[in-house]
Amino acid sequence: DSGVTQTPKHLITATGQRVTLRCSPRSGDLSVYWYQQSLDQGLQFLIQYYNGEERAKGNILERFSAQQFPDLHSELNLSSLELGDSALYFCASSTTGDSYNEQFFGPGTRLTVL
Amino acid sequence: AQKVTQAQTEISVVEKEDVTLDCVYETRDTTYYLFWYKQPPSGELVFLIRRNSFDEQNEISGRYSWNFQKSTSSFNFTITASQVVDSAVYFCALSELAGKLIFGQGTELSVKP
Repeated sequence: DSGVTQTPKHLITATGQRVTLRCSPRSGDLSVYWYQQSLDQGLQFLIQYYNGEERAKGNILERFSAQQFPDLHSELNLSSLELGDSALYFCASSTTGDSYNEQFFGPGTRLTVL
Repeated sequence: AQKVTQAQTEISVVEKEDVTLDCVYETRDTTYYLFWYKQPPSGELVFLIRRNSFDEQNEISGRYSWNFQKSTSSFNFTITASQVVDSAVYFCALSELAGKLIFGQGTELSVKP
């Protein structure tokens, strides 16, 4: 158990809908990352937050947004969902968000868009 | 651009065989960090090791060992005396500034009894 929690574990929804994925980092970690894992794209970095502020952005679609709250939990919002958004979404956390920190991953949320 | 290549998509071995998973990376940075993660069938990503670009010493942890060679931009992972529980997808990753991880495509290791 990495100490990172993600809810829900599974999510099934329809095209055009909006969903929210939630992540709680390990105790003491200030930085949260979101990654998407799909068969065709592999593991792709989406976005990083550090202590409530956005720190780095990857190839995150405009339909996707995220935030980190004062209690350090984070939410990833996916809207106008398409079939291609079906994937495993991971949240990870690290202590300071620097490049030398190992990132600890949550169990993931499997999103299925029908 | 930074890139990680794991050329072996799938490897199948019989229990007790040794197996090496290859990882080649590209970066222009002089300071960088390399990682290996394991993704068992249950799906979670488990951190295995971190190596910084200044430390080329090989590392051994039980049956696992890692060989980092800057001259060939490689960071290979060897499992000695493999076991069925080692069956998983293994990812090599390179850390960019701000900690964004760039992952390779992964190598699926199947260890048969």
